[in-house]
Amino acid sequence: SQQGEEDPQALSIQEGENATMNCSYKTSINNLQWYRQNSGRGLVHLILIRSNEREKHSGRLRVTLDTSKKSSSLLITASRAADTASYFCATEGNDMRFGAGTRLTVKP
Amino acid sequence: NAGVTQTPKFRVLKTGQSMTLLCAQDMNHEYMYWYRQDPGMGLRLIHYSVGEGTTAKGEVPDGYNVSRLKKQNFLLGLESAAPSQTSVYFCASRVGWSQETQYFGPGTRLLVL
Repeated sequence: SQQGEEDPQALSIQEGENATMNCSYKTSINNLQWYRQNSGRGLVHLILIRSNEREKHSGRLRVTLDTSKKSSSLLITASRAADTASYFCATEGNDMRFGAGTRLTVKP
Repeated sequence: NAGVTQTPKFRVLKTGQSMTLLCAQDMNHEYMYWYRQDPGMGLRLIHYSVGEGTTAKGEVPDGYNVSRLKKQNFLLGLESAAPSQTSVYFCASRVGWSQETQYFGPGTRLLVL
């Protein structure tokens, strides 16, 4: 079974708006990572947050982690059409577990 | 650097046939992984390796075997392919344990008829 569960499954927004995706997981983790996948391509690493961190920023990306609630969120600010992709969270404990992903569509 | 490469890009097999997928990385990474991705789903870990000569089972290892004879190569074998193994297979590598990102290959599309 998959560890992470993303919410929503699909998200459609206008260019310039912010996009928020959530990830919940079930067991204790060492870190949580977010990946992006363009259609038909491999995954690209976006950001990693360790279990002792609460928030991390990278450019237009902001990730939060709440280990007490076993949840994380990914915020993409000022979205662009090029941000259209699927976004996956992956939790690392004893092994790597990926969620089913959020499909983000940014309309120009 | 080529990064992580996968061979072949696409393959069609008949039920019962065997094949080997090759993953190669030129980044001197210790850890390598094989995943499968089914439509509308995230990746599921098949097998992984923490160094040359070592392998370990992931979440969905049944029906697959792996070998890591050389540090730069990680092979995934299907001894007797089944339609349920139709999927996209991704290889990934990383420097070492935790705290590090994984680098993914472009994927191999496998269709088992």
